[in-house]
Amino acid sequence: DTAVSQTPKYLVTQMGNDKSIKCEQNLGHDTMYWYKQDSKKFLKIMFSYNNKELIINETVPNRFSPKSPDKAHLNLHINSLELGDSAVYFCASSSSSGANVLTFGAGSRLTVL
Amino acid sequence: AQSVTQLGSHVSVSEGALVLLRCNYSSSVPPYLFWYVQYPNQGLQLLLKYTSAATLVKGINGFEAEFKKSETSFHLTKPSAHMSDAAEYFCAVSGSNTGNQFYFGTGTSLTVIP
Repeated sequence: DTAVSQTPKYLVTQMGNDKSIKCEQNLGHDTMYWYKQDSKKFLKIMFSYNNKELIINETVPNRFSPKSPDKAHLNLHINSLELGDSAVYFCASSSSSGANVLTFGAGSRLTVL
Repeated sequence: AQSVTQLGSHVSVSEGALVLLRCNYSSSVPPYLFWYVQYPNQGLQLLLKYTSAATLVKGINGFEAEFKKSETSFHLTKPSAHMSDAAEYFCAVSGSNTGNQFYFGTGTSLTVIP
């Protein structure tokens, strides 16, 4: 069983399109995240949800909209895709109690042409 | 605000040589510290974590790290590098004074030379 699973793994699309990436975790964690990793491998937090409530919303264009239908799912919808959105997007989850450890999904590589 | 500094964006070692990847953090309160590894085209995996128990932490694949409060450091070491250790390594910090949010360093790419 994959602990944090995200789909699709690869996404190639044209500028201006809208796309979504889905994430699910079966670890019973109460906090989920989206990270963006650029071509230089820098990891940047985008959003964090705790029990379906948004708790971190970094400086991200409002074309990016996260949605958490329940605490096991956190989806990312991107409108009007731009070339600069090309990156690997990682979903992660953690527990807010104790020494929380981030568990990452395998990543979704988005290429905007 | 918390920050993590990884000295050296690229490190090359010979197979069998010592691996040393450096990480310094800024925090007025001892945080939780982590090392993650990312193999090519994969997600990040936890190597080890420090949670205020023993200062020398052993992780997977023969890696270990030592928490030194006086130096605000958490360097990662492995006595003998293996070809399979070639990957990107990230240091991260978290804790109650960060709202339990994670802050990552910029990563160190490890190359192992045969």
